[in-house]
Amino acid sequence: AQRVTQPEKLLSVFKGAPVELKCNYSYSGSPELFWYVQYSRQRLQLLLRHISRESIKGFTADLNKGETSFHLKKPFAQEEDSAMYYCALLLNQGGKLIFGQGTELSVKP
Amino acid sequence: ETGVTQSPTHLIKTRGQQVTLRCSSQSGHNTVSWYQQALGQGPQFIFQYYREEENGRGNFPPRFSGLQFPNYSSELNVNALELDDSALYLCASSGAGTGGTEAFFGQGTRLTVV
Repeated sequence: AQRVTQPEKLLSVFKGAPVELKCNYSYSGSPELFWYVQYSRQRLQLLLRHISRESIKGFTADLNKGETSFHLKKPFAQEEDSAMYYCALLLNQGGKLIFGQGTELSVKP
Repeated sequence: ETGVTQSPTHLIKTRGQQVTLRCSSQSGHNTVSWYQQALGQGPQFIFQYYREEENGRGNFPPRFSGLQFPNYSSELNVNALELDDSALYLCASSGAGTGGTEAFFGQGTRLTVV
């Protein structure tokens, strides 16, 4: 069965500390993975996708097929990074996105 | 370019009633997906419409149905509402029929069933 797991509901760090939000997936096909972010009082928006291999707002994520993981990392957290982060897996059939339950990142001053 | 808009923003219904939620897709997008997000959970895929045809469905009962119109706007209809249907309903539009492109989300409709 296809599944996305984000083991941490809440991650709290201090400003300037490194951040790693964990995401593991279960999928028999070739995965296409995304990180979405929802800032307070804003809509859900795409942060980055693995096929782009890009860094957005200092965040990066590498797909590790051996460990079936797609962890989101940032070397130095900023207060404005505080938000809900969702890892999502795209299924080719019908463009269905499977989301993890989300991790709330809280960056303290 | 206008973004994805949903209406209404909040709604309270009684168990057993029917509800219709609306979504206007982003300009130029022909695909609309609907998601249900219960409190403390990630969004769950309900179904997707591409060029007015259903193009994939999640594990939701038939009382969840939808429509897409020629202008690519969409409706989500839920019949015989149950208390567990209380959730945030999200609409997302994208420019391709089978994913691979960015999905743009609306702000959601908060449905409360009492």
